[in-house]
Amino acid sequence: AQSVTQLGSHVSVSEGALVLLRCNYSSSVPPYLFWYVQYPNQGLQLLLKYTSAATLVKGINGFEAEFKKSETSFHLTKPSAHMSDAAEYFCAVSDRTDTDKLIFGTGTRLQVFP
Amino acid sequence: ETGVTQTPRHLVMGMTNKKSLKCEQHLGHNAMYWYKQSAKKPLELMFVYNFKEQTENNSVPSRFSPECPNSSHLFLHLHTLQPEDSALYLCASSPGQGFYEQYFGPGTRLTVT
Repeated sequence: AQSVTQLGSHVSVSEGALVLLRCNYSSSVPPYLFWYVQYPNQGLQLLLKYTSAATLVKGINGFEAEFKKSETSFHLTKPSAHMSDAAEYFCAVSDRTDTDKLIFGTGTRLQVFP
Repeated sequence: ETGVTQTPRHLVMGMTNKKSLKCEQHLGHNAMYWYKQSAKKPLELMFVYNFKEQTENNSVPSRFSPECPNSSHLFLHLHTLQPEDSALYLCASSPGQGFYEQYFGPGTRLTVT
C-alpha cells in the first residue's frame, strides 16, 4: 500500500529565502505524485504533478519538485519565498493500479517572515 | 461558475438536525469524492463515485449518506451527527480514465453543536 510522509509539520522561512518542503513516499509500483496547496478557508489547489515524464516538474507560482526514485522522495522547492506563499502544503501519491484514490500526507504549514 | 463549487460554505447544525451538503463540478469529470479534513489529522477519504457509481466507502458511519444523481453533482446527507463530526468537508472531482489529479472545491465548514 502507498503512503506519504511529510517531514516537518511547520516550516518557517524569511521572505526571499529558499523554500524546501520534504515528501517521501512508499509505493510498491511506480507512483504518480502530487503537491497541493491550501490557503486559509479554501480547498486544495494543485501545484504540480509527476506522472513519469521529466523527473523535474515545474508548477505554478514558481514551485518545482524533483522525483528521486533512489531516495523515494518528491521534495517541493521554490528559490525565493514570497509572503503570499504562506499556506499549508500537501504531498499526495496515487497508485497506478488503483486510480480512484490519492493518499495524502499530513501537511506542512509554511510561514514566511518579512 | 467554474471548477468545483460547494454549498453551503458554512453550516451549524444540532445533533438532531438533518442537512445536506452539495457539490457541483463544471469540469466534465467522471469521478467525484468526499473528504473530511479535521484539525491535526490527515485528509480522510470518505466516498468515491465513478460514473455515478459508488466505488469506495471508507468505513464511514451511516449518519453520512452520499448521493450522486449524475456525474456533475454530489450530495452528502447528514443526520444525527456527533460533535466530533465537526470539520471541513471537501468535495473533489477527477477526469478519471488515466488522469489522476483531483480538483477541489472550497469546502463546507461544518459545526455540530
